[in-house]
Amino acid sequence: GNSVTQMEGPVTLSEEAFLTINCTYTATGYPSLFWYVQYPGEGLQLLLKATKADDKGSNKGFEATYRKETTSFHLEKGSVQVSDSAVYFCALKGGSEKLVFGKGTKLTVNP
Amino acid sequence: SAVISQKPSRDICQRGTSLTIQCQVDSQVTMMFWYRQQPGQSLTLIATANQGSEATYESGFVIDKFPISRPNLTFSTLTVSNMSPEDSSIYLCSVPEGDTQYFGPGTRLTVL
Repeated sequence: GNSVTQMEGPVTLSEEAFLTINCTYTATGYPSLFWYVQYPGEGLQLLLKATKADDKGSNKGFEATYRKETTSFHLEKGSVQVSDSAVYFCALKGGSEKLVFGKGTKLTVNP
Repeated sequence: SAVISQKPSRDICQRGTSLTIQCQVDSQVTMMFWYRQQPGQSLTLIATANQGSEATYESGFVIDKFPISRPNLTFSTLTVSNMSPEDSSIYLCSVPEGDTQYFGPGTRLTVL
């Protein structure tokens, strides 16, 4: 079945550092890929998405590229801010409407 | 994107009691999903609720424990029955829109 493997956390960075959170997936066919973010005490928000190979999703300075050859969708940001502290979830959607989530990566950014 | 609201936003309940969580969407949707997020964990799909039919439950979840109603295309409820401390979680509803799923703000449940 479909699955998502996400970099284990927690990740602690200083402000303005470079961020990478690794995500790889296993799926049949051509899934859509997503990054969701959960700020402390809040629900899930869609951060970015990509629906086909080589697509790059981007939002709020975050980027992720759908790499079919490596079955990856790594999340990157060039310069993190304290306000980026949250839990980040990688997810995929295959042929059905069901989302499959990774375990989540907690990011803490210190001033 | 769809605007999704949930009630209550949080609650503290005694074991053995039941809580009904409401999910309201600002547009008509065919499918609605209910998820559970246990403390420090990822999201697990409980069931899919389609209007006019019985909900479809995922492995490990049963209707007696998590009855779901879907009376119309904009509303659904999830009941957590006969609660125990292990039911302490965030419960989220979500709806698909195109190729994306959008989530409600969640209901934080604590069972004492």
